[in-house]
Parts: sequence; C-alpha cells; structure tokens
Amino acid sequence: GAGVSQSPSNKVTEKGKDVELRCDPISGHTALYWYRQSLGQGLEFLIYFQGNSAPDKSGLPSDRFSAERTGGSVSTLTIQRTQQEDSAVYLCASSLGFGGGETQYFGPGTRLLVL
Amino acid sequence: AQKITQTQPGMFVQEKEAVTLDCTYDTSDPSYGLFWYKQPSSGEMIFLIYQGSYDQQNATEGRYSLNFQKARKSANLVISASQLGDSAMYFCAMREGANSSASKIIFGSGTRLSIRP
Repeated sequence: GAGVSQSPSNKVTEKGKDVELRCDPISGHTALYWYRQSLGQGLEFLIYFQGNSAPDKSGLPSDRFSAERTGGSVSTLTIQRTQQEDSAVYLCASSLGFGGGETQYFGPGTRLLVL
Repeated sequence: AQKITQTQPGMFVQEKEAVTLDCTYDTSDPSYGLFWYKQPSSGEMIFLIYQGSYDQQNATEGRYSLNFQKARKSANLVISASQLGDSAMYFCAMREGANSSASKIIFGSGTRLSIRP
C-alpha cells in the first residue's frame, strides 16, 4: 500500500478482554513506532522498533502491554486484560530508519474503547 | 531524560495574522532533532518542519518557519499569514541523536490553534 495501515479502525471491547492491534508499515521502512493518544491529549510514546535492534520498550505503561514485529514488517500491539483507562487512539508510524530529520508517516490509528 | 513542553493549550488568531506556537525542550544530548506536526480534526498526523541541532539556519517550509534558539532550548513554530485551514492541533517533537536512528521520537502535549475568519 501507499501508506501506513492499521486495523481495526475501531475496536470496542469489554474490560478484562485481550485485544490485538495491527500495523502495516510502508514497505521498506525499518523504523516503526507505536503511540497512544487519549482524547484531546498529546502522543504518548509506547514502543519503537528499528531494524533488527532490540526494541525500545521504555514507554509501555504496564506489563499488560506488549508488541512484536515479525519479519521486520508488520507489528502487533497486544493489550491484555484491558482496563477502561486503556481507551484511546493507538497510532502507528513508520520511517526509513536512517534517523535524523526523516519524516514519520502515521497510520490512521485504531480507536479503542474499553467498556 | 527527554522532555518537550508546550505551554499553550489553546490559541485563537485572526485570519491572515502570523502566529507563534511555543515549544521548549530539555535534553543533555548535544545532538538532537526537533519536529513539528499538525493534526487536523480528521486525526491524521501531518509533518510540517524539521530542525537539526547543528543546523546553522532556522528551518523554513513555505508559510512555516522554526524559530530555533538553542541556548534557550526553544523551537517555536511560526506560521505566517494564517489561514482557516490552519486550525488544528500542533505538536512539537524531539529525537535525541540527530543523526541516529536508535532513538525514539517523543511528543509534547500539543497546542490547539483556532483561526478566526
């Protein structure tokens, strides 16, 4: 595809259930980021993958959150035992991976609502 | 630790006027990069402008310019001749290690800009 895609676009779940959010980065982009954005707030960094390096997981808010990136492409963010405070838009972004001022390309986000 | 501060939660500006959105940052790394993004009500994130810490001149992109004051650790975004379509959330962001791909990019809390006709 031409851009970063995320699925599902919307997810409603019950408290305590597990959810999986998917991100398809732009082909050839080695860097992939996950952010969380609560209503009217800024972007909270969650995790960063760069090539084959160990991911920077410093932003994950609890051990209920995990993410993986298989084959250096698609990434899945998993939230276990969801809580109401997990409700937010989860944004994925990718970039070429050279660092510096390279542009991050953002996906449309997944809107998660935990009831 | 990195930190990005945007002290203006909201701003109202008259159409065609210039507007400055404030951003200050904190880092101990001498090499870093600063970004500004726009997020309209549609939710998409749009890259606007980038400034590297070693860049000699302030970055400019069309009506956008970055007022980079290194000693003050500020990277204010200036939008000249504002338009109704400029109404959006604006985020300042930073990466430590300007030429490194190893560092994450973190964002400020944003400023909501509203342009009055």
